Amino acid sequence: EAAVTQSPRNKVAVTGGKVTLSCNQTNNHNNMYWYRQDTGHGLRLIHYSYGAGSTEKGDIPDGYKASRPSQENFSLILELATPSQTSVYFCASGTGGDQDTQYFGPGTRLLVL
Amino acid sequence: GDSVTQTEGPVTLSEGTSLTVNCSYETKQYPTLFWYVQYPGEGPQLLFKVPKANEKGSNRGFEATYNKEATSFHLQKASVQESDSAVYYCALSGYNNNAPRFGAGTKLSVKP
Repeated sequence: EAAVTQSPRNKVAVTGGKVTLSCNQTNNHNNMYWYRQDTGHGLRLIHYSYGAGSTEKGDIPDGYKASRPSQENFSLILELATPSQTSVYFCASGTGGDQDTQYFGPGTRLLVL
Repeated sequence: GDSVTQTEGPVTLSEGTSLTVNCSYETKQYPTLFWYVQYPGEGPQLLFKVPKANEKGSNRGFEATYNKEATSFHLQKASVQESDSAVYYCALSGYNNNAPRFGAGTKLSVKP
């Protein structure tokens, strides 16, 4: 059974609209991550979290907010979506520590028109 | 800061030929090194990891040796199959609670 799930799987949004991407994990991992994947750039880290109530900026946080209300849930929020945020977004949970192994969800495909 | 550089793709091979995907890294720490694989339509998944220098990791016929002196972690497979078509990511672990670092990914296509 899938341990990291994402919703929605596909989303079409309008420029200037608010978008919330949700992630749930049943691995009981402290760490969670949001990435975007674009051709030629691989996986780029947007925000991450060490546990409920914490969020940290990754490499490309501008235009994104994150929320970690519980151990299981980690959301990515686009307050004012722009076409440049059209991408595939992956959530992951991680074991933490020196051997932090990441377990990814299936991805959310976002199109901003 | 830490960084990972890997073979630029795409790479196209015929079934039965050998594969090498180069991975080099920069860090001041002693990281764990990872290879992840992403099949079409899925999220990346761990292929294998190696926590210690001079050790080898392997899985599904793929292998890589953690070479601390050369700061490399090249992925190899002796004979690729069409089912190996995927994107391969090299990564190194974060430290002091920093997030892990991923390379840009190498897309492999294997033709029958």
